[in-house]
Amino acid sequence: GAVVSQHPSRVICKSGTSVKIECRSLDFQATTMFWYRQFPKQSLMLMATSNEGSKATYEQGVEKDKFLINHASLTLSTLTVTSAHPEDSSFYICSARPSGATFYEQYFGPGTRLTVT
Amino acid sequence: KQEVTQIPAALSVPEGENLVLNCSFTDSAIYNLQWFRQDPGKGLTSLLLIQSSQREQTSGRLNASLDKSSGRSTLYIAASQPGDSATYLCAVRPDFSGTALIFGKGTTLSVSS
Repeated sequence: GAVVSQHPSRVICKSGTSVKIECRSLDFQATTMFWYRQFPKQSLMLMATSNEGSKATYEQGVEKDKFLINHASLTLSTLTVTSAHPEDSSFYICSARPSGATFYEQYFGPGTRLTVT
Repeated sequence: KQEVTQIPAALSVPEGENLVLNCSFTDSAIYNLQWFRQDPGKGLTSLLLIQSSQREQTSGRLNASLDKSSGRSTLYIAASQPGDSATYLCAVRPDFSGTALIFGKGTTLSVSS
């Protein structure tokens, strides 16, 4: 149980285009989902926290107009990187907290490798 | 600002060796600390979670210790196996609820047979 999937696993896009990454909780409902970013040889860094049905909360330094997060259902959150640039190339990982779980319980997806050319 | 450091960045050992991975954090005001395993193409798997009031946690061949006052944690792996090869991440949760984790850069472990 407690499986989180991400789609796509890898994506290559051209500079200036937008790309959407999906995060799904497959066997549980998740009121809260988190989006992280990991640059090569760097730490996983939290980008934003999304709660179903409300606006996401972004970490300092993360442009909310560039990284659009939609958490429209209890099993799906999407991250859209708008007008992507090469510096946005990174590994994006989501995690999901089961509804009603302790605040520190979360399960991670396998990640999405984004390459912007 | 909380910072998490993991040493070493990479480690190679022969099968059967016992090993220790180190994690340090700058702010001792943490709620808990977690050790994760990260495999290429797969999500993070939680290995052990230590609450701030605990000193250690054990799961099979893994033992994690926490010295909150000194800002240190260690992950001890006994009798390492090639299947243990992965990147191990240490993460702390700040001392209030609702926040996500602060990760170290990880230690990449390679166990040769």
